[in-house]
Amino acid sequence: ILNVEQSPQSLHVQEGDSTNFTCSFPSSNFYALHWYRWETAKSPEALFVMTLNGDEKKKGRISATLNTKEGYSYLYIKGSQPEDSATYLCAPLGTGANNLFFGTGTRLTVIP
Amino acid sequence: KAGVTQTPRYLIKTRGQQVTLSCSPISGHRSVSWYQQTPGQGLQFLFEYFSETQRNKGNFPGRFSGRQFSNSRSEMNVSTLELGDSALYLCASSLNSVTEAFFGQGTRLTVV
Repeated sequence: ILNVEQSPQSLHVQEGDSTNFTCSFPSSNFYALHWYRWETAKSPEALFVMTLNGDEKKKGRISATLNTKEGYSYLYIKGSQPEDSATYLCAPLGTGANNLFFGTGTRLTVIP
Repeated sequence: KAGVTQTPRYLIKTRGQQVTLSCSPISGHRSVSWYQQTPGQGLQFLFEYFSETQRNKGNFPGRFSGRQFSNSRSEMNVSTLELGDSALYLCASSLNSVTEAFFGQGTRLTVV
């Protein structure tokens, strides 16, 4: 079982604000990091799968960076919109592992 | 293409009973994972199957079991239900452990 920490636990921002949150994981035996968005009454949906140190991925207004040496990833949302309201989950995958261990997530609420 | 299908969507059972949940993965996906989510908890990993073999199991009692069939469909079974088993059970399928996971809508189990 991997010790995954996400911070903050919850966040309220105004529409148009940019925001970011953190996923911390053990840096040893790292293989990949997944980010998912989970909207209320829907299923979790994959945002990014990252593997390389220094990697940066982008999807629309959402981007993520990865630091495998120190064991963290940042997720950024630029110009938050109400539809961005969701719980954002990260899940690292260790070398040789076949399953994802999810953090408890960051619950984002964007206030119109 | 069709997504991950979980049945039933909702279920009410009595303590002591057993229950079987079903998950049909995306066609071509051989990895199926099961997760439990209870209020205040993140997604807790139950088990992962690949080509009919259980490769990993989370920290759950033996009352929780599963299997995968040759068509990659998976079932999980919980015997001797307890009130604490009330939760949302999600399954996810993927090509392999590195690629993104696709989640079903979940089965909401209530034990009374």
